[in-house]
Amino acid sequence: QAVLTQPSSLSASPGASASLTCTLRSDINVGTYGIYWYQQKPGSPPQYLLNYKSDSDKQQGSRVPSRFSGFKDASANAGILLISGLQFEDEADYYCMIWHSSAWVFGGGTKLTVL
Amino acid sequence: EVLLVESGGGLVQPGGSLRLSCAASGFTFSTSWMSWVRQAPGKGPEWVANIKQDGSDRNHADSVKGRFTISRDNANNALFLQMNSLSAEDTAVYYCARDVNGVLDSWGQGTLVTVSS
Repeated sequence: QAVLTQPSSLSASPGASASLTCTLRSDINVGTYGIYWYQQKPGSPPQYLLNYKSDSDKQQGSRVPSRFSGFKDASANAGILLISGLQFEDEADYYCMIWHSSAWVFGGGTKLTVL
Repeated sequence: EVLLVESGGGLVQPGGSLRLSCAASGFTFSTSWMSWVRQAPGKGPEWVANIKQDGSDRNHADSVKGRFTISRDNANNALFLQMNSLSAEDTAVYYCARDVNGVLDSWGQGTLVTVSS
């Protein structure tokens, strides 16, 4: 089983909100990890968005709008990237990442379509 | 402005070797952890390795351990990735990235490595 699992795709309408989930393998407790989120558009490297460990331990990337935010769902053992007020420019691939066993581990990514 | 420029990619035969370089500017290179991340065509990113500011601590992904080695030259603001025993599965764009307190906050544009006979 993969360390991090993301749904392969998600569609949402402009102006709506989108919740992108990153589920940790069952033997890894989301509560002990900071979840890092990256956005990637075609032809460009990933760009850091934010990271979230708790409400008191989180960081927003520079120039990243506040409509991008991070949360955790402990009951689902998952990190969540919430994008509110979706815009067409938010259409991209989104990857979560954690530091696990002395390695950065990426999730498989979610392709977000805004239509 | 942080600038990272990778070089050294190209076509190499299976079993061959390649050394990638990353030239850094616009920040104090010697005070930053650095990482290599790769991305195979049509796939998500895969972290490869990182190295501490003074080179005293390095980590490598299991998929490259024993074959790849990360290093750095702080005097010349350069990061390296020595890649040996290459296989088709190593075909990817290789990015260097600055690692600031666990955030890969700046990336280069990447260099393409193609392993094929």
